[in-house]
Amino acid sequence: AQSVTQLDSQVPVFEEAPVELRCNYSSSVSVYLFWYVQYPNQGLQLLLKYLSGSTLVKGINGFEAEFNKSQTSFHLRKPSVHISDTAEYFCPPRGKSSGSARQLTFGSGTQLTVLP
Amino acid sequence: ETGVTQSPTHLIKTRGQQVTLRCSSQSGHNTVSWYQQALGQGPQFIFQYYREEENGRGNFPPRFSGLQFPNYSSELNVNALELDDSALYLCASSRETGAIYEQYFGPGTRLTVT
Repeated sequence: AQSVTQLDSQVPVFEEAPVELRCNYSSSVSVYLFWYVQYPNQGLQLLLKYLSGSTLVKGINGFEAEFNKSQTSFHLRKPSVHISDTAEYFCPPRGKSSGSARQLTFGSGTQLTVLP
Repeated sequence: ETGVTQSPTHLIKTRGQQVTLRCSSQSGHNTVSWYQQALGQGPQFIFQYYREEENGRGNFPPRFSGLQFPNYSSELNVNALELDDSALYLCASSRETGAIYEQYFGPGTRLTVT
């Protein structure tokens, strides 16, 4: 079974500064990896995904993430954040197996707060 | 291409009552997953439906049940509501054939049980 650890529950950062949100997963099987963003009182929006191939993945809104198989990490980065990036961020893995439900396994999330 | 929609947006129920939540999947998608998100926590997987059959279930009791219809829309039913059922219920659709593996979420239904 998969599990995920988001190492920081809260990340405050000043506007236009760079940010990294850390994500480590633990799985005995191959996984697909995703980053989702959740704005207050809304559903989840897909930021980016890693399925295979290049380990550096670019997503929407200027975000990117790097898959590191040896460290089982998938950290999210943005070189310059905006006030509008303030939200909760999740990095759920899901298994590649076709034999069972392909659910996303969520951790507790990271609250990114961008300060003026 | 229409996105995932959910209804109602908000709902208030009394302990012991029953509730039905609805989800319309994104055009072209054949799989619907339901998640429960308690306040301040990440979503927890309830169950998934693929081609009208339950395709996996998380650690939720049988009073949580669902349906998927031929047009791939879905319902989540919760019987005998408890206070701890108060949460945001999220529906996500995906196409579990071909090369699309990501799930697209609806805006959620906020359920309050008093």
